[in-house]
Amino acid sequence: QQPVQSPQAVILREGEDAVINCSSSKALYSVHWYRQKHGEAPVFLMILLKGGEQKGHEKISASFNEKKQQSSLYLTASQLSYSGTYFCGTGLNTGTASKLTFGTGTRLQVTL
Amino acid sequence: NAGVTQTPKFQVLKTGQSMTLQCAQDMNHNSMYWYRQDPGMGLRLIYYSASEGTTDKGEVPNGYNVSRLNKREFSLRLESAAPSQTSVYFCASSGRWVSTDTQYFGPGTRLTVL
Repeated sequence: QQPVQSPQAVILREGEDAVINCSSSKALYSVHWYRQKHGEAPVFLMILLKGGEQKGHEKISASFNEKKQQSSLYLTASQLSYSGTYFCGTGLNTGTASKLTFGTGTRLQVTL
Repeated sequence: NAGVTQTPKFQVLKTGQSMTLQCAQDMNHNSMYWYRQDPGMGLRLIYYSASEGTTDKGEVPNGYNVSRLNKREFSLRLESAAPSQTSVYFCASSGRWVSTDTQYFGPGTRLTVL
């Protein structure tokens, strides 16, 4: 079952902040965040692991609540380049999972 | 270092025709994946290969077959294309355990079935 992302879409003015949420009904080991620009492939942003470890871009911040099976991606002081569709991908409650399940995406548009 | 490459970039098929989408990675990754992306549906896993010599079904495998030719290459075959298979197809690769490893995507193949 796909994780649920919210909101489905958001429009920001440059400099504003946004939070994108990802929620799963299953126990998770990891949450991955990707950004996809129109007509391009998804690009890796961050991995959050059970236990608190994070890997990813220093300018991106996110949280992972293991008990609630939820993750949030925080976009602060947004720039035009942040526009795109954001996907979360979830890995189940084992460190040896071989696949991710992706949400349906959150479309972010940053305007002047 | 090209990363993940896919061929072709675009393809138009008629209903009932067959074709194979090719994918190769040069990062020495164990795991490879095929996804399809449809508007509003996100990325849905078709098949994956956790290591050379193994393949497993994902969420939407019907109408597709795969071959892990070697560690570098993973192909996706449509035996008898249907309009419902019109989509953008992405190949991806990662280290052995995708829970903890970055997944790298190819540029995609845009397939239209008439």
